[in-house]
Parts: sequence; C-alpha cells; structure tokens
Amino acid sequence: GNSVTQMEGPVTLSEEAFLTINCTYTATGYPSLFWYVQYPGEGLQLLLKATKADDKGSNKGFEATYRKETTSFHLEKGSVQVSDSAVYFCALGLLQGAQKLVFGQGTRLTINP
Amino acid sequence: DAMVIQNPRYQVTQFGKPVTLSCSQTLNHNVMYWYQQKSSQAPKLLFHYYDKDFNNEADTPDNFQSRRPNTSFCFLDIRSPGLGDAAMYLCATSRDGAGGRGNQPQHFGDGTRLSIL
Repeated sequence: GNSVTQMEGPVTLSEEAFLTINCTYTATGYPSLFWYVQYPGEGLQLLLKATKADDKGSNKGFEATYRKETTSFHLEKGSVQVSDSAVYFCALGLLQGAQKLVFGQGTRLTINP
Repeated sequence: DAMVIQNPRYQVTQFGKPVTLSCSQTLNHNVMYWYQQKSSQAPKLLFHYYDKDFNNEADTPDNFQSRRPNTSFCFLDIRSPGLGDAAMYLCATSRDGAGGRGNQPQHFGDGTRLSIL
C-alpha cells in the first residue's frame, strides 16, 4: 500500500538552529512528493514539491530531495526562525482518478527565540 | 488573489441539527476535495469531485454528503452531526493531474472549525 512516515514530534529548536524533519514513504507506482505547512488556525500551504527521483524542491530556505533509493524526502533548513513554528506534513501524491494525497502524521515544530 | 475560500471560519451547531459548510474557488480547478482534520492529526479525505463526478472514500460515513452546483462552489452537508464530527473541515482544489503522476499540488482553504453542542 501507500504510506508516509514522518519523524515524530514535537520538535523544539532555538532560533538559527539547523532543522531536519525526516520523511520516508512506501508507494506503488511513481509518486510526487510534497511538504505542506500548517500555521495555527489555518489550512495547509504548499511549501515545496518534487515530482521525480533526484529532484530538489526548495522554498523560503527549506529544501528536500526526492531520494528513490532510500524512499525518503527529508525536509531541511539551515537557519530556522520563530516564524517557522508550525506543523509540517509530508505527503505523496498519486493519480487515482484525481490526484490523491497520502499524508504523514505531521510534525509540530516550535522555534524559541 | 486567486484562492480557496471557506465560510464560515467557525460554525457551531447542535447535536443532530443539519449543517452545511461552503467552499468557493477562483482558481478554476476541476477537482475539489473535502477533508476532515481532528486535533493533532493529518487531514482525512472524505470525498472529492472530479468535474461533476462525485467520488466518495470507502470509509466516509453516510452522514456526510456533498454538492457541487458549479465549478466554483462546493458544499459539505452533515445530516445529523454527532459529537465525534467536531473537527476542522478543509476544502482543497487541484487541476487535473497532467502527466498522469499526480504531480499537481492541492490548494487548501483556511478551513471551517465545527463545534457540536
């Protein structure tokens, strides 16, 4: 089946620290991979995506590389800010009629000043 | 700006009293989705419309229904809300997955938080 496993949270870091949130997946076929971010009281926003092996998605200082050999899509940022505090969801996208997303369980990130 | 708009942001209803949540989009996307998200959990897909075609997830309770009168609007109807239906309800849209690999992102609204008294 299709599934996504994320690093368990919550994760608490100090401002300017290096961030890694691990994400691995199991999929039949060739999924696209996404990271979504959810700020308190809001919906999900697309943070970045990668559509094939070895693609790197990047946005707002965040990066993730689609690694087919390790079935991973780890999220990284070199220097986090307080404003990065949110819940981060890794997801794979498959076309099953329409595009379907399979989400990981989410990782709550808190950045302290 | 083009976007997905959900109204209201907060909805309170009574146990067993029907409630309707609405979603509109200016993206002209052909697919619209409804998700249920409970606290500290990932969103759970309830159903989606592909153009006018309704697609229900196998484990979505019969209590949940949806209508899409046109491309821009989609409604979620809960016929007899129970306490377990209290959650955030998210609407999302996407374009038909060009390339056949599901590589188009979904665009989410800010959600409606439903409370049941």
